[in-house]
Amino acid sequence: AQSVTQPDIHITVSEGASLELRCNYSYGATPYLFWYVQSPGQGLQLLLKYFSGDTLVQGIKGFEAEFKRSQSSFNLRKPSVHWSDAAEYFCAVGGNFNKFYFGSGTKLNVKP
Amino acid sequence: GAVVSQHPSWVICKSGTSVKIECRSLDFQATTMFWYRQFPKQSLMLMATSNEGSKATYEQGVEKDKFLINHASLTLSTLTVTSAHPEDSSFYICSAYDDREPYEQYFGPGTRLTVT
Repeated sequence: AQSVTQPDIHITVSEGASLELRCNYSYGATPYLFWYVQSPGQGLQLLLKYFSGDTLVQGIKGFEAEFKRSQSSFNLRKPSVHWSDAAEYFCAVGGNFNKFYFGSGTKLNVKP
Repeated sequence: GAVVSQHPSWVICKSGTSVKIECRSLDFQATTMFWYRQFPKQSLMLMATSNEGSKATYEQGVEKDKFLINHASLTLSTLTVTSAHPEDSSFYICSAYDDREPYEQYFGPGTRLTVT
């Protein structure tokens, strides 16, 4: 069965510091992987996705993620965090019939 | 990107009543829409797949008689929570799949349901 694990519930980083949010997945076939961000009162916004090809994926707002099949991971990174990045981040795996399965989310706080 | 709207954005209803939530794809047609439920500080749980012109497909453990889904047109899916109870209070989010390139799902802003 497909599942997504985000082991960090909360992360706090200082503005300007680097960020890595962890995501591990379980899926029987080649996964389609996504990272979304959710700000209070806002819908989910797609940051980036991986379908195939280059395992390092570039997204919007300076985010990138690396697909590592051997580790079943798809960690999200940003070299320098901005205060506006404070939000909740969700990793998702896309399964059959375009169903999405989400991780539990990581709430990012940014210290000034 | 494409836009998906939900209406209402929040609703309060009394226990035992029913409430309908609408999900619309504003600038594309969606044969497939999805309904999710999000509990506070938790992830989105897929409830059901809404298929235009046919019955919805529910995930295991979701009561189909309680959460009625209708996908009557290519731009509208509705979720009706019937005989609502306080435990149905939650944040309901829909998404719509655009089967044109780049083949993405677009999420609505969500509907906050409070049952008193």
